[in-house]
Amino acid sequence: AQSVAQPEDQVNVAEGNPLTVKCTYSVSGNPYLFWYVQYPNRGLQFLLKYITGDNLVKGSYGFEAEFNKSQTSFHLKKPSALVSDSALYFCAVRDERGFKTIFGAGTRLFVKA
Amino acid sequence: DVKVTQSSRYLVKRTGEKVFLECVQDMDHENMFWYRQDPGLGLRLIYFSYDVKMKEKGDIPEGYSVSREKKERFSLILESASTNQTSMYLCATSAGDREGETQYFGPGTRLLVL
Repeated sequence: AQSVAQPEDQVNVAEGNPLTVKCTYSVSGNPYLFWYVQYPNRGLQFLLKYITGDNLVKGSYGFEAEFNKSQTSFHLKKPSALVSDSALYFCAVRDERGFKTIFGAGTRLFVKA
Repeated sequence: DVKVTQSSRYLVKRTGEKVFLECVQDMDHENMFWYRQDPGLGLRLIYFSYDVKMKEKGDIPEGYSVSREKKERFSLILESASTNQTSMYLCATSAGDREGETQYFGPGTRLLVL
């Protein structure tokens, strides 16, 4: 069965510092991996995805994520955090044979000025 | 840009009422989804539809039903609302290209059942 784990409920970082939001996954086949962001009182917005190819994926707002097959991880990163990056971040996974996307529990990112 | 709209942002209902949540998309997407979002649980899939008049149960379909009479509209029905259905409900769509399909979300409906 597919599953996604976001081990941190909350991540705190100072503005200008690099940030990492962690995600690990489990699927039976090749994974399709996604990051979505949710700002207060809004729906989820797509940030980036890994389908195949280069393990480093670049997305919206300066975010990137690295696919690591051996560690079954897909951590979200940004070199320099902004206060406006404060939001709830969801990692999600689908396997190549499945129809459903499984979402993690979410990680709340706080960026302090 | 894909636009996904939901009929209400906030809704207050009483236990036992029948509740309708509507979702409309304007991009001719094949697939539509209903999720509920609860703190610490992430998003959980209630139902999805990959074509008009087609529906499939998700992970937590109990107490819910859906209707898709037109391609652009996907309705979630709470047959008899209960307090444990108080939640944020999110509608999403995707194009139907199965490889790595991105989902596009509506703004959500926050439902309170008293």
